[in-house]
Amino acid sequence: TQLLEQSPQFLSIQEGENLTVYCNSSSVFSSLQWYRQEPGEGPVLLVTVVTGGEVKKLKRLTFQFGDARKDSSLHITAAQPGDTGLYLCAGAPMNYGGSQGNLIFGKGTKLSVKP
Amino acid sequence: KAGVTQTPRYLIKTRGQQVTLSCSPISGHRSVSWYQQTPGQGLQFLFEYFSETQRNKGNFPGRFSGRQFSNSRSEMNVSTLELGDSALYLCASRLGGTNTEAFFGQGTRLTVV
Repeated sequence: TQLLEQSPQFLSIQEGENLTVYCNSSSVFSSLQWYRQEPGEGPVLLVTVVTGGEVKKLKRLTFQFGDARKDSSLHITAAQPGDTGLYLCAGAPMNYGGSQGNLIFGKGTKLSVKP
Repeated sequence: KAGVTQTPRYLIKTRGQQVTLSCSPISGHRSVSWYQQTPGQGLQFLFEYFSETQRNKGNFPGRFSGRQFSNSRSEMNVSTLELGDSALYLCASRLGGTNTEAFFGQGTRLTVV
C-alpha cells in the first residue's frame, strides 16, 4: 500500500513567519501535486512537480520534488492570514493513467496564520 | 472555461436511504474520480471512470457504485446509507491518459442522520 506521510499535521503561526510542510513516502511517484483546501470546499490545485529535484515557485510559495521522487516540500515565506487552509499533497503512482487512476493523498497540514 | 460542477452541495439523508450525487467534469476531460473525505481518514479514493468504464475501485463496500455517461458526466450512488457515510464527497476531473493533474469540484456534503 502506498502512503504519503505529511507533517506537521497542524501549524499555527504569526503573520510574517516562514514555514515548511513535508510530504514523505517510501514509494516513487511519477508526479506530485499540492492542493489548498478551504473548509467545506474542494481542494484547489496549486502546483504539479514532475521531475526529480524540480523546484517551482508560486509567489511566496516554493515547492520542491525530491531527487528520488519520493518526497516533496512546500515552503511559504512571510505567511499571511490569506494562506490559512488545509494543504494537501497528492502523489500519482508510477502507472497512473494506465492501470491506476487514483492519486495517493497525504492527511494534510492545517495551517493557521494569525494577524 | 467552466470548472468541475457537483450537485447537490448539501444533502441530509436518514439511515437506510439511498443517495445519488452528480459530477460534471471540465469540458474535454474524460476521466472522473470520486473521493470521500472525512476528518479522520482524509481523502480516500472511491473509483475512477474513463470513457464510461470503471477503471479502478478503492476499498469501499459494494453499496458505493457509480457510472459515467457518454458526455463524461458521472454519478455516484450510495445505497443503504449508514451514519459513517457522512462525509464530503469530492469529484475530480482529469484530461486522461498520463496527464496527472486533477481538478476538484466543490464537493457534496452528505449528512446521514
